[in-house]
Amino acid sequence: ETGVTQTPRHLVMGMTNKKSLKCEQHLGHNAMYWYKQSAKKPLELMFVYSLEERVENNSVPSRFSPECPNSSHLFLHLHTLQPEDSALYLCASSQTRGSYEQYFGPGTRLTVT
Amino acid sequence: TQLLEQSPQFLSIQEGENLTVYCNSSSVFSSLQWYRQEPGEGPVLLVTVVTGGEVKKLKRLTFQFGDARKDSSLHITAAQPGDTGLYLCAGARNAGNNRKLIWGLGTSLAVNP
Repeated sequence: ETGVTQTPRHLVMGMTNKKSLKCEQHLGHNAMYWYKQSAKKPLELMFVYSLEERVENNSVPSRFSPECPNSSHLFLHLHTLQPEDSALYLCASSQTRGSYEQYFGPGTRLTVT
Repeated sequence: TQLLEQSPQFLSIQEGENLTVYCNSSSVFSSLQWYRQEPGEGPVLLVTVVTGGEVKKLKRLTFQFGDARKDSSLHITAAQPGDTGLYLCAGARNAGNNRKLIWGLGTSLAVNP
């Protein structure tokens, strides 16, 4: 099993659509993360979950809504997005929240039209 | 404000050449990581350096952490096309109960056959 998987790999959605990104980790880790990667910007940490509890929300607009039903799965629910939300969305996991070594999934390339 | 500067931003070399890329900051980090990200994939952790002055080797890659733990370098010997990718550094900082990874923008390396 690949360590961290993400689906879909590519997503095109209109501004009025609702969609969800899925992440699954097979590493037995306790912390999971959502990042946004845009051109000419450093990786932006969006949300952190530790043992299924959201422990960090970095001023992310409410049109992004995370969900962590268990320690292996993480979702990012999207609704009424803006074109500037187009980016690569990366999921990552680590052994614990305090462990800096993060393992990333392949990402979902999102285009908002 | 970009807290971690990576240089050069872009590098295109021929197979067999040597190269060094840099990651610099005015801030002290408790540890620093290097990741490689290939097109269409998420970043993959290469190494973590923790001690000032530390040198780690991974086959043809040599990583060094500065004595003051503010900067790091990655040297690649006899580069191969498989080394092509975006090299990201991330510095770890403790701030009270918060722990943060500060990301650089990356060095985009192309190794031509």
